[in-house]
Amino acid sequence: EAQVTQNPRYLITVTGKKLTVTCSQNMNHEYMSWYRQDPGLGLRQIYYSMNVEVTDKGDVPEGYKVSRKEKRNFPLILESPSPNQTSLYFCASSLGRLSHEQYFGPGTRLTVT
Amino acid sequence: SQKIEQNSEALNIQEGKTATLTCNYTNYSPAYLQWYRQDPGRGPVFLLLIRENEKEKRKERLKVTFDTTLKQSLFHITASQPADSATYLCAPTMFSGGYNKLIFGAGTRLAVHP
Repeated sequence: EAQVTQNPRYLITVTGKKLTVTCSQNMNHEYMSWYRQDPGLGLRQIYYSMNVEVTDKGDVPEGYKVSRKEKRNFPLILESPSPNQTSLYFCASSLGRLSHEQYFGPGTRLTVT
Repeated sequence: SQKIEQNSEALNIQEGKTATLTCNYTNYSPAYLQWYRQDPGRGPVFLLLIRENEKEKRKERLKVTFDTTLKQSLFHITASQPADSATYLCAPTMFSGGYNKLIFGAGTRLAVHP
């Protein structure tokens, strides 16, 4: 089944404790992206990647890092999480940078205390 | 700054009626506009895309219009069913930084009552 998977689905952590949220897609998509979703604000793009080893900042990149060493994986790293990073995170992929339809993962609900 | 407005209040309608959701955008000119459906606890799912030179697009019970003069898209679900209850996100799309960038609205929650 074609899909985007994320792990973990739920995470509660403390301020300053480094964490990684994994994202993997099995559709051989070139383009991948991370979003956060907060009430009343809609999905905001954190980072995106147009291909392996090519990543760039989205609209809200502060406090996050990403890497794209393999085509299928695009982990999101929070080196020192803070309470304002409490949010619902989605990974998405699409065929290429000029594609339109994006396929989303199931989401990761992160709480930072 | 770029802004997208969708009805923040939930839309409650009776089964069988037509639901109409509105998406207004300001301060940019998207070449495309997409609509997604999001169920609680799940990621958004793509429904429809309409291009700036298309006035209307249909898919089964769904219809989308795109008025670039008014900077507005309308999303219609005809013969609505309780299973259509979800949050619907609009996402004007423009080519930026070498890729098609989606900017999402906050969404409108639709509740269809039997």
